[in-house]
Amino acid sequence: KNEVEQSPQNLTAQEGEFITINCSYSVGISALHWLQQHPGGGIVSLFMLSSGKKKHGRLIATINIQEKHSSLHITASHPRDSAVYICAVSGNNDMRFGAGTRLTVKP
Amino acid sequence: NAGVTQTPKFQVLKTGQSMTLQCAQDMNHNSMYWYRQDPGMGLRLIYYSASEGTTDKGEVPNGYNVSRLNKREFSLRLESAAPSQTSVYFCASSELTGTEAFFGQGTRLTVV
Repeated sequence: KNEVEQSPQNLTAQEGEFITINCSYSVGISALHWLQQHPGGGIVSLFMLSSGKKKHGRLIATINIQEKHSSLHITASHPRDSAVYICAVSGNNDMRFGAGTRLTVKP
Repeated sequence: NAGVTQTPKFQVLKTGQSMTLQCAQDMNHNSMYWYRQDPGMGLRLIYYSASEGTTDKGEVPNGYNVSRLNKREFSLRLESAAPSQTSVYFCASSELTGTEAFFGQGTRLTVV
């Protein structure tokens, strides 16, 4: 079993829908990261959090340390949100990554 | 700021050839990393350098070597490429290990 599990693997939504991507992890962590990878391949960091909730524009990330679970929400989704969203956890000197969730938002 | 710059972006090698992937960051970060990304799998750590002058193996180090040339540069070398090393390689850096990471654009390597 992977240390970081994401669901769903693939997600298709209509423009305007509310999106939720889930991440569960099985190891002790110092922080959890949400990353975005666009079709061109580049990876950018969206959030780094160790407790509670963070919000940036239409994106919201939450973490429950006791349950070892995090969610990434996208409100009012748009076709430009189409990308692969990656959950990662950092602990002793490295990061461990989920396999990613491929999101497609249709107009 | 350029952030993290990787070269080359694409490379095709024949089995047994060697090559070096270059990575440089201009953010004065202490930690640098090399990952590989394969279809259906998460990024996997090959080697990392927690600070200038140190390097350590990650999850999948076999077949690779690294050099932390200075604080800015961290190179990845394939001494004798194998088809199993066909992958997309990402370099990343962070201020300290475990803090927010910044990624290069990736190198798509094919070994035939």
